[in-house]
Amino acid sequence: DAKTTQPNSMESNEEEPVHLPCNHSTISGTDYIHWYRQLPSQGPEYVIHGLTSNVNNRMASLAIAEDRKSSTLILHRATLRDAAVYYCILRDDYGGSQGNLIFGKGTKLSVKP
Amino acid sequence: DTGVSQDPRHKITKRGQNVTFRCDPISEHNRLYWYRQTLGQGPEFLTYFQNEAQLEKSRLLSDRFSAERPKGSFSTLEIQRTEQGDSAMYLCASSPPWGVADTQYFGPGTRLTVL
Repeated sequence: DAKTTQPNSMESNEEEPVHLPCNHSTISGTDYIHWYRQLPSQGPEYVIHGLTSNVNNRMASLAIAEDRKSSTLILHRATLRDAAVYYCILRDDYGGSQGNLIFGKGTKLSVKP
Repeated sequence: DTGVSQDPRHKITKRGQNVTFRCDPISEHNRLYWYRQTLGQGPEFLTYFQNEAQLEKSRLLSDRFSAERPKGSFSTLEIQRTEQGDSAMYLCASSPPWGVADTQYFGPGTRLTVL
C-alpha cells in the first residue's frame, strides 16, 4: 500500500470548519482513500472513503485532488467531540488484497471551545 | 449494542504469564482482523481471518502469539510467556463480505499491561 503524509497535529476552534490534509503522491489507480479517526481511549472509527470524486456523508466531506496525489478531509463545523487522531489510509481495491489497513501516525486534532 | 465487542477491556499480568483476549465481531461479518497499538503510534496489523481461515499473519506475530477463529464467529488472541514489550492496546476489527473498499469496524480494544 502506498504511503501517506499528514501533519502531526492541528488545532481548530469549535464550530469552525476544519481541513485536514493528506499527501499521497505515489497513489495507484486502484487505491481508495480512506479516513478513520480514533477518539481518546477508543478503537478507530471509519469516517469516509473515496476513489476519484469528492464524497460527502453525515460525518464529513472528502475532497480529492484531480491528480489524486492529495486529499482533504473537511469537518464542516468542528465540535469538541471531533477531537481525535485522524488517519488517512490508502487501500487497494478489495478484490486484490487481504484487507488489513496500514496506519501511519495520523493528525491529532485539538478543538478549542 | 451490535458493534464489535472485546473482552476483557483491561488486563494486567505479570511477565511470563499467558493471557487470552476475545473478540466478537459484528454478526454476518466474515472478515476479522487483529491489530496492536502502542502509545503514540497508529494501529499495526497482526493477523486476518476470513471465516475460520487465518489467511495472513504479520511478522509482528511472534511464535508466542496465536489466534483462532473457530466456526468463523468469535476470535481469540493468546499471548504466551508475556513480556513487558507486549504491553499495548489490542484491537479487533471486522468487515462484511459485501460492499467496496473494505470498511472495517473496530472494537474498543483490550489494554494489556505486563508488569
